[in-house]
Amino acid sequence: DAKTTQPTSMDCAEGRAANLPCNHSTISGNEYVYWYRQIHSQGPQYIIHGLKNNETNEMASLIITEDRKSSTLILPHATLRDTAVYYCIVGGYQKVTFGIGTKLQVIP
Amino acid sequence: DTGVSQNPRHKITKRGQNVTFRCDPISEHNRLYWYRQTLGQGPEFLTYFQNEAQLEKSRLLSDRFSAERPKGSFSTLEIQRTEQGDSAMYLCASSLAAATNEKLFFGSGTQLSVL
Repeated sequence: DAKTTQPTSMDCAEGRAANLPCNHSTISGNEYVYWYRQIHSQGPQYIIHGLKNNETNEMASLIITEDRKSSTLILPHATLRDTAVYYCIVGGYQKVTFGIGTKLQVIP
Repeated sequence: DTGVSQNPRHKITKRGQNVTFRCDPISEHNRLYWYRQTLGQGPEFLTYFQNEAQLEKSRLLSDRFSAERPKGSFSTLEIQRTEQGDSAMYLCASSLAAATNEKLFFGSGTQLSVL
């Protein structure tokens, strides 16, 4: 699986958009980009994934650059409940390897 | 869909004792994963099953660790002769593996404390 690089931590004001970046310059052509989040004391929760095109669901949007070497997870209107560690993962099939992720703190 | 269930939620044991954790995956999911997580770190892959077959084991998984999924449904993770370094959150996840991608659904984990 390709490696990813994420900022260790970020702050976001409540109600504003949270934009979480991820670099994955060694991603291969058939590998997907996945995002999970982990709220304290809970298991990780799947958010969204994509291959080439931008994706949107009820939780977030995923923007993948044309060269696929980076992506951004967007939480359009962050709430206090979005405070969590966000993991960007690239892979396709079989085991999922987590890094340290980005600790997002949503501030009132 | 009742989600992935893990039992117990918490386990306190003395060093040298054996412990066993159970994971019940989402019913139609054919893959089951075990991860371990320590404070401030992301989950570390331990092992995974496709149906009843154990397909991969991490080098982190010492001989004291054994996992089973006897009928391709629930799974157990046993740690023999526990050590203080085994203290961690043990997470189980399941998925319905597709040809090119898969989404993992995690349980709430079992928090192990070895005294």
